[in-house]
Amino acid sequence: DTGVSQNPRHKITKRGQNVTFRCDPISEHNRLYWYRQTLGQGPEFLTYFQNEAQLEKSRLLSDRFSAERPKGSFSTLEIQRTEQGDSAMYLCASSLGQGRDGNTIYFGEGSWLTVV
Amino acid sequence: SQKIEQNSEALNIQEGKTATLTCNYTNYSPAYLQWYRQDPGRGPVFLLLIRENEKEKRKERLKVTFDTTLKQSLFHITASQPADSATYLCAPIQGAQKLVFGQGTRLTINP
Repeated sequence: DTGVSQNPRHKITKRGQNVTFRCDPISEHNRLYWYRQTLGQGPEFLTYFQNEAQLEKSRLLSDRFSAERPKGSFSTLEIQRTEQGDSAMYLCASSLGQGRDGNTIYFGEGSWLTVV
Repeated sequence: SQKIEQNSEALNIQEGKTATLTCNYTNYSPAYLQWYRQDPGRGPVFLLLIRENEKEKRKERLKVTFDTTLKQSLFHITASQPADSATYLCAPIQGAQKLVFGQGTRLTINP
């Protein structure tokens, strides 16, 4: 079990550029989540997948944000036309989704985005 | 709207004492509640999950209680150590299994 893996760990981009983050969840975990966290705040929910289906999206997720999980394994989060307000840590998490421990959610180390 | 409040933004405790962190929630009926530890620049690390039908859960020096009447969870670290210094996050879970976090409590254990 290698844990939840996120890439890249750090990204600096110019305003207006597109960025994409990748998340590899723990193998056999059916649920995958994306969160955003800014300094001094708790993580804020963005979206989650059950296998390849995106089941819920937060109102925080503007039209510039899109997340996919095409084969029910890894996921990507793309931000188009980045703005300085997008600067944050983007966290991916996964859970088994079934069984006694199915609700335990495990996080990756996060991907830091700085928009300049 | 659903709201989660953790007792304070920062808590300073002397080494060896018990640290107690509070998590209150409103407009919620969570079936589970999870506690996480987060170090600066790192992702949250899962510590404990407690179910609504469990009054108390323990893991080594950690103890969590869950009072659905008071809508409150308490998180205790006994025999605290400087290495316990971190931000602690509570997150109730309801319905769609997504976590909604409080703002966290930054705990500092002073030697």
